[in-house]
Amino acid sequence: NAGVTQTPKFQVLKTGQSMTLQCAQDMNHEYMSWYRQDPGMGLRLIHYSVGAGITDQGEVPNGYNVSRSTTEDFPLRLLSAAPSQTSVYFCASSLVQTLNTEAFFGQGTRLTVV
Amino acid sequence: AQSVTQLDSHVSVSEGTPVLLRCNYSSSYSPSLFWYVQHPNKGLQLLLKYTSAATLVKGINGFEAEFKKSETSFHLTKPSAHMSDAAEYFCVVSGGYTGKLIFGQGTTLQVKP
Repeated sequence: NAGVTQTPKFQVLKTGQSMTLQCAQDMNHEYMSWYRQDPGMGLRLIHYSVGAGITDQGEVPNGYNVSRSTTEDFPLRLLSAAPSQTSVYFCASSLVQTLNTEAFFGQGTRLTVV
Repeated sequence: AQSVTQLDSHVSVSEGTPVLLRCNYSSSYSPSLFWYVQHPNKGLQLLLKYTSAATLVKGINGFEAEFKKSETSFHLTKPSAHMSDAAEYFCVVSGGYTGKLIFGQGTTLQVKP
């Protein structure tokens, strides 16, 4: 049981380039989300999905797109990378996002935009 | 609206001494609260969660936290620190049925030999 798998682990982009961060889970979780982690700011929600075909914006969605064509996969797309998007990105999933549901996190993707 | 504040950005203790990481929350209803730990260059792992069943919650690796509604606090404690406890700790409140987790800013725990 792999849990939540993110790829790549590290990435360097030039300003203006686009890329997709991959996230896959094998726990049949309905709820998936993307966070970015910046020093002193904790984790902030970018986008989330409550099931295949349904996505919504989080706290910091600008510059990012998501889609959810299957239960397992929830890719995050950077449309035109900017230095402000340099961060560590985490994907998370949970069975159902109710009040007390535990979220499982991937290992993170460290992205640098130069 | 829900929010969470971790009162210390950095805590340093000696090995074998108690650990106290402080967290205050704000919630318009009875919250669910979590503590997650992140070791260097790793993902986040759940330490424990409060779901209104009991105010004193025991977690993994000897950690526990007490929910105090009157003080709106959910402090994390451990009687005796180990070197392996050095990590970043996040207090998290569930943002209701919207499905969102709201993270505190994080507390870095340093354990000195």
